[in-house]
Amino acid sequence: DVVLTQSPLSLPVTLGQPASISCKSSQSLVYSDGNTYLNWFQQRPGQSPRRLIYRVSNRDSGVPDRFSGSGSGTDFTLKISTVEAEDVGVYYCMQGSHWPYTFGQGAKLEIK
Amino acid sequence: QVQVVQSGAEVKKPGSSVRLSCKSSAGTYALSWVRQAPGQGLEWMGGIFPIFGTTKYAQKFQGRVTISADESTNTAFMELSNLRSEDTAVYYCARGTSYAEFDYWGQGTLVTVSS
Repeated sequence: DVVLTQSPLSLPVTLGQPASISCKSSQSLVYSDGNTYLNWFQQRPGQSPRRLIYRVSNRDSGVPDRFSGSGSGTDFTLKISTVEAEDVGVYYCMQGSHWPYTFGQGAKLEIK
Repeated sequence: QVQVVQSGAEVKKPGSSVRLSCKSSAGTYALSWVRQAPGQGLEWMGGIFPIFGTTKYAQKFQGRVTISADESTNTAFMELSNLRSEDTAVYYCARGTSYAEFDYWGQGTLVTVSS
């Protein structure tokens, strides 16, 4: 199975400051159709996960533009340009290029 | 507005089975099941693409999980058999335009396995 390793796993951030989460894959996530199925999800406390970014860098509808995704091959990053209070939660990367689909361990963002 | 609505909480005995449902708005989509044990991360179990009649399962659950769908009611089902305490988790249903696209999530169903 593809292993996704996120870092850091704990992210204390001051309001208004940037944040960045890395997601490294044990193998390339480029699928045979040329797409890279690497998604990012946010899970706020007590809520269901919500997709923020799909296929590395495409922001979902309604997701603030302070969220951005980048990367290629095996290395990916989620960035928040200026953290707001509502961003508190756990962030997961997930790959959909290889069966079985797998998630990273989750990175917990909290306000310092 | 796409909706994904799951069935209610269940309490089961070890060795028994549980069948969860997930109803969504009409459309062409895949539905996957993802679970989350208490305080833990997310784990993909499998999915179904009803219009194509295909299913995919994670090998870990092969033989214990069956995912099906009733297209007439836009409802998917996930049955997990031979339950053990480690299966205690919130089970989510997620819908997408393909198996790998989890655009919309249900509210989750807590399954508690306890003697």
